[in-house]
Order: sequence, then C-alpha cells, then structure tokens
Amino acid sequence: ETGVTQTPRHLVMGMTNKKSLKCEQHLGHNAMYWYKQSAKKPLELMFVYSLEERVENNSVPSRFSPECPNSSHLFLHLHTLQPEDSALYLCASSPTTGTENIQYFGAGTRLSVL
Amino acid sequence: GEDVEQSLFLSVREGDSSVINCTYTDSSSTYLYWYKQEPGAGLQLLTYIFSNMDMKQDQRLTVLLNKKDKHLSLRIADTQTGDSAIYFCAERGGSQGNLIFGKGTKLSVKP
Repeated sequence: ETGVTQTPRHLVMGMTNKKSLKCEQHLGHNAMYWYKQSAKKPLELMFVYSLEERVENNSVPSRFSPECPNSSHLFLHLHTLQPEDSALYLCASSPTTGTENIQYFGAGTRLSVL
Repeated sequence: GEDVEQSLFLSVREGDSSVINCTYTDSSSTYLYWYKQEPGAGLQLLTYIFSNMDMKQDQRLTVLLNKKDKHLSLRIADTQTGDSAIYFCAERGGSQGNLIFGKGTKLSVKP
C-alpha cells in the first residue's frame, strides 16, 4: 500500500462513452501526476498538478481532461476515446515537484477501449 | 533530447546476482531512480541516488553511478523468485523536475 489509491482498477469502455478515473492520495503531498503506460513504450507523463494548479500538459489530446479539485484528489475524464488509448493509467504523487521529487504510484487503472 | 535506455529482458537463476543497466542523456540530472513494477501493480520506488554519489547500498541492492558515462546500474544480490518484475530506471529532467523513465527491464528469475 503506497498511500495512493486509484479506482476503478479495470475499465472497459466504448469509443462513445464518457468515464472518469479517480486517484486519491493520503500522503499529504502537494503534487499529483497522470502517466500512461503502454506496452513496449516508456511511461508517458500526461499531466502534472502542483497545489491544484496544472503546471504541465504534455501535448495530450483533448479527449483526456484532468481535474484536480484539491491536493488529495485527481481525476482523468475520458470521452470519445480511441482503441490506441487502451493502456494502464498510473497516478502518482510527490511532496513537491522539485528537489528529490520522489513519486509514489498507485496501482493503476487498466483501460480497454473497444 | 532526454532519453533513458535499458535492455528489455534479463534472466537469471535463483541465488545469482542480477545487474540491470541503464544509460541516460541529461547530464544535469540531480537524482536517478530505480522503480519496480510487479504484475498488475503500480511502480514501487526501490532506491535512488544523488548525482554526487558513486554508489549506494541498501541491503541486497547496490546502485552504481558513472556520471561521466551517464551509466546507472542496479545490482540485486542473491536474487529470489520474488524479485521477478519489471525494473524501471528514471532520471529527473524536463520542466518541473519531472521523471523521465526507461522502457523497463523485465527480470525473470528461474528456480
């Protein structure tokens, strides 16, 4: 248990559906991240939030929409996804975005887009 | 640009030592990390090393850093079947100190 909880663990959705991924951290951290992990590719950083403010958006398509209502919660809203969006989506948190930047990861949501 | 390279697979026998290698490109990286990912799980931080260190040891884990060659290695002594997992090397780079990950090395431990 790393203190970062992601729900759901598995999600199957059609291309016309709208769904949301949820991440919650109980570590008192100020920064939260969304990563995409696809087979045979490095982890791709999608979004970074620091103190509830988005500080980085790595050219992610607009069909992915993040939301950070407070420093403990992070959402990823999904709509009109494509099959190539099927992947493991990992959430992480860290005390800040600087210095040691040790990130603690959740177990991920395995997303399948049909 | 920033890039972290690792070999994709490593197979060892139980009780042997495993050495997982990584090269990185950002010479300004201040911290380098090793994460472990077991099947169906997220990434677990194993250890990290500050760039002014050459070596760090933590029980069965030894991290070696050659800053001149931008080479990082993770040695696991007395490898056990429970060590079977994917090991990711990461450097701190990019804006906001983001982590740049390699593709991961899948370690298989045979009894």
